Amino acid sequence: QKEVEQNSGPLSVPEGAIASLNCTYSDRVSQSFFWYRQYSGKSPELIMSIYSNGDKEDGRFTAQLNKASQYVSLLIRDSQPSDSATYLCAGNSGAGSYQLTFGKGTKLSVIP
Amino acid sequence: DVKVTQSSRYLVKRTGEKVFLECVQDMDHENMFWYRQDPGLGLRLIYFSYDVKMKEKGDIPEGYSVSREKKERFSLILESASTNQTSMYLCASSYRRGDRFFGPGTRLTVL
Repeated sequence: QKEVEQNSGPLSVPEGAIASLNCTYSDRVSQSFFWYRQYSGKSPELIMSIYSNGDKEDGRFTAQLNKASQYVSLLIRDSQPSDSATYLCAGNSGAGSYQLTFGKGTKLSVIP
Repeated sequence: DVKVTQSSRYLVKRTGEKVFLECVQDMDHENMFWYRQDPGLGLRLIYFSYDVKMKEKGDIPEGYSVSREKKERFSLILESASTNQTSMYLCASSYRRGDRFFGPGTRLTVL
């Protein structure tokens, strides 16, 4: 199993709907997780981090982590066309590691 | 706001040339990274540095070297550019192991 896996999409949702982006991971990257957003032609920017089981909310974004299922997700409520981007999931293998393993990203399109 | 700058947005070089990509960050971050991003392959780590004059290989270091003489500056060197090094190169810095603040990227084309 690859260390961090994402469905490449594209995922299309209508404006105002909830977009759900999913990521699974292997045992090696099981400590903390990050979601990055990358607009076309731009570099990635960090939008959410999550370190423990459960939900973490920040505005319209909610990150969810389930370590038993090795699953992390990002929910975007009230999706806007400006949310259209590629979303990268990344995992860190622990306090002693500088390495961050990125998934290949899911492309999200929000249709007006 | 953290600012990470890269010396060029677009660069065209010939096979065999020595290429220098420079990255500067202004937030006194300890850690700096070089990635390349290719369609279908995602972000791949080339080299990173967690202190001045320190460097560590990432997942794909072959054909590359790095230099970090000052805390704010991290350079990526392609000793002899090849066409398979045509890519988007992204520099990043961080103060925590999980965060990455990326520069705007350099799109390098090797002819």
